Amino acid sequence: DGGITQSPKYLFRKEGQNVTLSCEQNLNHDAMYWYRQDPGQGLRLIYYSQIVNDFQKGDIAEGYSVSREKKESFPLTVTSAQKNPTAFYLCASSNRGGGNIQYFGAGTRLSVL
Amino acid sequence: GQQVMQIPQYQHVQEGEDFTTYCNSSTTLSNIQWYKQRPGGHPVFLIQLVKSGEVKKQKRLTFQFGEAKKNSSLHITATQTTDVGTYFCAGTVTGGGNKLTFGTGTQLKVEL
Repeated sequence: DGGITQSPKYLFRKEGQNVTLSCEQNLNHDAMYWYRQDPGQGLRLIYYSQIVNDFQKGDIAEGYSVSREKKESFPLTVTSAQKNPTAFYLCASSNRGGGNIQYFGAGTRLSVL
Repeated sequence: GQQVMQIPQYQHVQEGEDFTTYCNSSTTLSNIQWYKQRPGGHPVFLIQLVKSGEVKKQKRLTFQFGEAKKNSSLHITATQTTDVGTYFCAGTVTGGGNKLTFGTGTQLKVEL
């Protein structure tokens, strides 16, 4: 079954803690993205990667870090520097030749304890 | 930076009424996409428009791309309860690579 898998579905972070959100895709897509969605709001781009071992900051990268060591995987770390991490995090992927149509995972809801 | 605004932010309609959401970009777009996010779900791709003035239909949904490629609209005829959700437009700036800028979204509620 092809698609994008995000885990965990729910995550709780303590003060001063770094947490990592997983995103795996088996669509053989080159590009992957991380978005943040706050209640009743749109999607804001955190980081994106168009190729393995390369990634670029999006509009709200501060307090976040990523890696792209494998084509299939694009984990997002929410660091302690992110003071307001409570949000819905969405991972997406797209194919270069596919008109940049983005396919989304089911998301991870992060809350602060 | 580039901004994509949508209006209205919220819309409540009675089932059977029509619905329209408008999307406006501060910069010219190479293409525009529309996504639907059901409550508690994730965005799902609906359609992509590429040409200036392009109009596409999907059953009761009609999508338009403006002549200047800076605005777009989604019109739903005779809404149904299954249309409930948030509709987002998303644009790619010419020369902007694969980066999409999402609009602020319009949340549609349909009442019986």
